[in-house]
Amino acid sequence: AQTVTQSQPEMSVQEAETVTLSCTYDTSESDYYLFWYKQPPSRQMILVIRQEAYKQQNATENRFSVNFQKAAKSFSLKISDSQLGDAAMYFCAYRSATHDMRFGAGTRLTVKP
Amino acid sequence: EPEVTQTPSHQVTQMGQEVILRCVPISNHLYFYWYRQILGQKVEFLVSFYNNEISEKSEIFDDQFSVERPDGSNFTLKIRSTKLEDSAMYFCASSEVRGFEQYFGPGTRLTVT
Repeated sequence: AQTVTQSQPEMSVQEAETVTLSCTYDTSESDYYLFWYKQPPSRQMILVIRQEAYKQQNATENRFSVNFQKAAKSFSLKISDSQLGDAAMYFCAYRSATHDMRFGAGTRLTVKP
Repeated sequence: EPEVTQTPSHQVTQMGQEVILRCVPISNHLYFYWYRQILGQKVEFLVSFYNNEISEKSEIFDDQFSVERPDGSNFTLKIRSTKLEDSAMYFCASSEVRGFEQYFGPGTRLTVT
């Protein structure tokens, strides 16, 4: 079974600093996609970044980037120049061609002014 | 920008009653999904739907749940006989292509009393 593990229930970062959120996953499939979603207090799920497993290059979206280590099955999210608006729950998610989306338990990020 | 919409935003129902949660996916999307998030827990996959059929369902999606696309725009989740443990936020999502990013609606908060 595909599982997604986020080992950090809570993280905090000082405004303007950098923080890394960890995610590992377990799969025997070779073709899959990984995602990070942000869930602010409004509880809306917002896509932050996406990575295709066949791509070696790490995805980046402005201040957000990932460190994708396929062999280690690791998919961490780096947030640079953290802003107050980045405070939210962050969910790592996995999906493949044969299985729909599976989410990790989430990491609550606090940004300190 | 097109978005997924869900109605109602909050539904309160009595145990044993039937509820229908409604979603309008993004118009050119072909894949539709329902997820559940019990307060304070992770987002859980319920079901995916494509070409008027269920593509995949989780173990949570038992006989009391059903999905339907009654017309060209709506996608509904029916819970036949609600239980207290069905209280959760229910998210609808859609994607243009399977495997690509899913766009989430704002959610319907279901409270079963």
